[in-house]
Amino acid sequence: GNSVTQMEGPVTLSEEAFLTINCTYTATGYPSLFWYVQYPGEGLQLLLKATKADDKGSNKGFEATYRKETTSFHLEKGSVQVSDSAVYFCALSDRNSGGYQKVTFGIGTKLQVIP
Amino acid sequence: NAGVTQTPKFQVLKTGQSMTLQCAQDMNHEYMSWYRQDPGMGLRLIHYSVGAGITDQGEVPNGYNVSRSTTEDFPLRLLSAAPSQTSVYFCATIQGAEDNSPLHFGNGTRLTVT
Repeated sequence: GNSVTQMEGPVTLSEEAFLTINCTYTATGYPSLFWYVQYPGEGLQLLLKATKADDKGSNKGFEATYRKETTSFHLEKGSVQVSDSAVYFCALSDRNSGGYQKVTFGIGTKLQVIP
Repeated sequence: NAGVTQTPKFQVLKTGQSMTLQCAQDMNHEYMSWYRQDPGMGLRLIHYSVGAGITDQGEVPNGYNVSRSTTEDFPLRLLSAAPSQTSVYFCATIQGAEDNSPLHFGNGTRLTVT
């Protein structure tokens, strides 16, 4: 079956530091890839996505590139802020046997940014 | 436009009690689903629905029932709560059941079973 691997963290960075959160996946088909962010007490919300190999998703200074050859979708940001403190989930979307969308999530990586 | 609304936000149950977690959406999305979030395990799919009258099991369906009588509502029922069901529950929707659009999440229900 499909799977998504990411470190749980927490990842602690100082403000303005460079961020990388690694995400690798296994999938039998050609999935779409997503990063979701969860702020305390809230549901997940889409941060960025990529639907095919070599696509780059970007939003709010975050970027991730769909690398089919390494089955990876690492999240990066050049300069983090305290307001980026949250839990980040990598996810893939594929079709199940019935043809409907099936989403597989990683365990989530907690990011703490200190002033 | 409220999006996905979940009620209640918090609930404490005793073992063996029953309850229904409510989920309502006003986006006319076909696909609705329930996930549970547990530390170290990410989000796991409980049940999903691709339209009114159609439901199916996800990864961890045992102990939970669902129904979809309208496009807007997708309640999750716990018939006899167990401590293993202590978790945070999220309802999430997608515009089309077959496309790769992102999920839209509610703000969750935190359930504790003692």
